[in-house]
Amino acid sequence: SYVLTQPPSVSVAPGQTARITCGGNNIGSKSVHWYQQKPGQAPVLVVYDDSDRPSGIPERFSGSNSGNTATLTISRVEAGDEADYYCQVWDSSSDQGVFGGGTKLTVL
Amino acid sequence: QVQLVQSGAEVKKPGASVKVSCKASGYTFTSYDINWVRQATGQGLEWMGWMNPNSGNTGYAQKFQGRVTMTRNTSISTAYMELSSLRSEDTAVYYCATISGASGYFDYWGQGTLVTVSS
Repeated sequence: SYVLTQPPSVSVAPGQTARITCGGNNIGSKSVHWYQQKPGQAPVLVVYDDSDRPSGIPERFSGSNSGNTATLTISRVEAGDEADYYCQVWDSSSDQGVFGGGTKLTVL
Repeated sequence: QVQLVQSGAEVKKPGASVKVSCKASGYTFTSYDINWVRQATGQGLEWMGWMNPNSGNTGYAQKFQGRVTMTRNTSISTAYMELSSLRSEDTAVYYCATISGASGYFDYWGQGTLVTVSS
């Protein structure tokens, strides 16, 4: 089955840029989606189809995808961005959803 | 607006079954697949399976094959996920979520249902 690999944690100072990676075999050929999850809450979609944002998601959230790595970029990080972030793809070969292990973003 | 409202927390003994419901509103229930995702305490998200509410067709993660059943009642716009032969490792928050796009992203989520398996 398809495997997505994320770093367990990323730390960044307020106002700086956070980059969270998601690795997978030839992930650039897939559509990657990103979710933000705060403690005690359901996940929220923040980026879909590599780089599109749902309505209501700030422009500070962006995404890219190429080769074996997809990246979620959060610009001008705020304290409220502190959360767990998960990448996800749909593996069409097995018709299954796949999540990365999640990355805890800490705002210093 | 799209809303998914799940049933309340459950406590079950090992070996029992649990059935979690997910009531949809704000859209045509048969238009979007319903997926189930679970999360053990302090752990990541784990995809369990999908159901097409129109046809009733389902697809399950191999890990849950034989133990999970996803069904629906279209007359009340409600999806169900039943997990049998429960063990302590099944203690988790279970979420339903819709997929409305072709590329398989989960755009709307229920609030989650905590299932605790304990003797």
